[in-house]
Amino acid sequence: AQTVTQSQPEMSVQEAETVTLSCTYDTSESDYYLFWYKQPPSRQMILVIRQEAYKQQNATENRFSVNFQKAAKSFSLKISDSQLGDAAMYFCAYRKNSGTYKYIFGTGTRLKVLA
Amino acid sequence: KAGVTQTPRYLIKTRGQQVTLSCSPISGHRSVSWYQQTPGQGLQFLFEYFSETQRNKGNFPGRFSGRQFSNSRSEMNVSTLELGDSALYLCASSPTGVGGYTFGSGTRLTVV
Repeated sequence: AQTVTQSQPEMSVQEAETVTLSCTYDTSESDYYLFWYKQPPSRQMILVIRQEAYKQQNATENRFSVNFQKAAKSFSLKISDSQLGDAAMYFCAYRKNSGTYKYIFGTGTRLKVLA
Repeated sequence: KAGVTQTPRYLIKTRGQQVTLSCSPISGHRSVSWYQQTPGQGLQFLFEYFSETQRNKGNFPGRFSGRQFSNSRSEMNVSTLELGDSALYLCASSPTGVGGYTFGSGTRLTVV
């Protein structure tokens, strides 16, 4: 069975600084997607970034980038130039690319941004 | 364009009652998934519908059911509510299921 682990329940970062959130996963599949979602107090899960397993290049979206290490089954999220609006719960998610389209989520990391 | 709309935002029900939650996906999206979010169990997959057919189902008892209409709107129903059903129920839609899903803001269900 696939699992997703986020070992950091909470992280803090100073405004304008850089922070990295960790995620590891376990799967025997070779074709899958990995995602980072952000959930602010408004409760809506917002897609931050997506990585396709067969792509070696790490995905980037403006201030957000990932370090995808397929062999190590690691998928960390780096937030550069942190802003107060980045404060939220961040969830790492896995989804295999065949059969079922269900996500398997990690337990989340609460990110606090300090002014 | 409009996002995923879930109604109602908040709901309080009594143990033993049943409840129906509604989800309107983004226009053109045919895949709708439902998730339950609780502090203890985290985010858990309930089911996924595509073109009115249930494609996948999570490990939930039969009290949890859903359906999808021809306009892709979806409903989920929980019968004989238990205190443990108190949760945030999130709906998400996607054009086909491939790629990423867009989530709604959820329905907060409280069972008393």
